[in-house]
Amino acid sequence: SSELTQDPAVSVALRQTVRITCQGDSLRGSYASWYQQNPGQAPVLVIYGKNKRPSGIPDRFSGSSSGNTASLTITGAQAEDEADYYCNSRDSSSNRWFFGGGTKLTVL
Amino acid sequence: EVQLVQSGGGLVKPGGSLRLSCAGSGFTFSTYSMNWVRQAPGKGLEWVSSISSGSDYIYYSDSVKGRFTISRDNAGNSLFLQMNRLRVEDTAVYYCARVYESSTYASGYWGQGSLVTVSS
Repeated sequence: SSELTQDPAVSVALRQTVRITCQGDSLRGSYASWYQQNPGQAPVLVIYGKNKRPSGIPDRFSGSSSGNTASLTITGAQAEDEADYYCNSRDSSSNRWFFGGGTKLTVL
Repeated sequence: EVQLVQSGGGLVKPGGSLRLSCAGSGFTFSTYSMNWVRQAPGKGLEWVSSISSGSDYIYYSDSVKGRFTISRDNAGNSLFLQMNRLRVEDTAVYYCARVYESSTYASGYWGQGSLVTVSS
């Protein structure tokens, strides 16, 4: 299956560390990318490739991968990190891209 | 500054057609693959289609294959999505997106979104 599975909701206390996970068979052969989306806005790429951050993304965002699971870690979560987060990867066998269902992050 | 400006959304009846456009500026349009991604109201992101820099490689999701056509005009710095035989379930905000780097598949720059509503 090329589906990507994410927990629907995760919460974290302010300035603590949170990990958002994404599971799927396509992750065994492909890096996940991660997007942050605020209501009514376009997604923003926060992690791509092997733990790369686009210009302007704070270094508290990091990515990792093991087997069929990719993770986005926010170290020292800030109030402005409260948003929906989506993982995304490409299935090389079918040349299709898939998004996870999204994780709503609440910063307490 | 990289900019993607979309146009062409609107209300259409089931079975109808619509064409979305995405104008790129601030970068060499012809050297980057481009994607269309949509988001139904209150739902998550869904990949729709991708096109390589020279239009050599084109891919579609199963949900739109045979009904939608992606194309690009590198001379005019524009990306298009021709949507035919539209269904109610195609109702969504459609985003065009540029890969962040030529060597990656990740979408690093996004348009503002175009709302497509399919309703009778």
